[in-house]
Amino acid sequence: SQKIEQNSEALNIQEGKTATLTCNYTNYSPAYLQWYRQDPGRGPVFLLLIRENEKEKRKERLKVTFDTTLKQSLFHITASQPADSATYLCAPRGTGANNLFFGTGTRLTVIP
Amino acid sequence: DGGITQSPKYLFRKEGQNVTLSCEQNLNHDAMYWYRQDPGQGLRLIYYSQIVNDFQKGDIAEGYSVSREKKESFPLTVTSAQKNPTAFYLCASRPLAGGDGELFFGEGSRLTVL
Repeated sequence: SQKIEQNSEALNIQEGKTATLTCNYTNYSPAYLQWYRQDPGRGPVFLLLIRENEKEKRKERLKVTFDTTLKQSLFHITASQPADSATYLCAPRGTGANNLFFGTGTRLTVIP
Repeated sequence: DGGITQSPKYLFRKEGQNVTLSCEQNLNHDAMYWYRQDPGQGLRLIYYSQIVNDFQKGDIAEGYSVSREKKESFPLTVTSAQKNPTAFYLCASRPLAGGDGELFFGEGSRLTVL
């Protein structure tokens, strides 16, 4: 069965540094991968998507990479701010997939 | 404003009671989903529906039931057969065409069994 692992259940970094979160998947060949942000007690919010034919995607201070050989996606937040503190979830998707799976999430804390 | 509304936000239940969580969306999305979230376990899929009057089991459907009588509504019933129902429940929807396939989530319902 598919397995999605996000290493580092929790990650603490200093304000202004770059945060790097990892998503690894096995027994799966996703056509694309989504990243979400979840604040405590709230529903997740979609951030961005990267397709299998894209090596890198950027959106403001966010950068995502997708390596289908390593079966891994990296999620970077540059110039991190305390407001970036949240749990970040990755979600690999197959083409036309309806049964949608999420990783366990990484809780990021940016320390002022 | 368009969005997904879950209610109630907090719910307490005695053991042996069934409870129904409401999920309504006015985004005109075809597909709707119910997830359960427990600490350290991420989101696990309970049920999903792509069309009215049809739905499929997810990974942890035992002890739950759903209905999809209207496109806008996808209520979840937590039955007394669910052995450990205390959790945070999230409803989501998405269109089946267009966009990046992203899910739009409600604010969640936290169920506590006393």
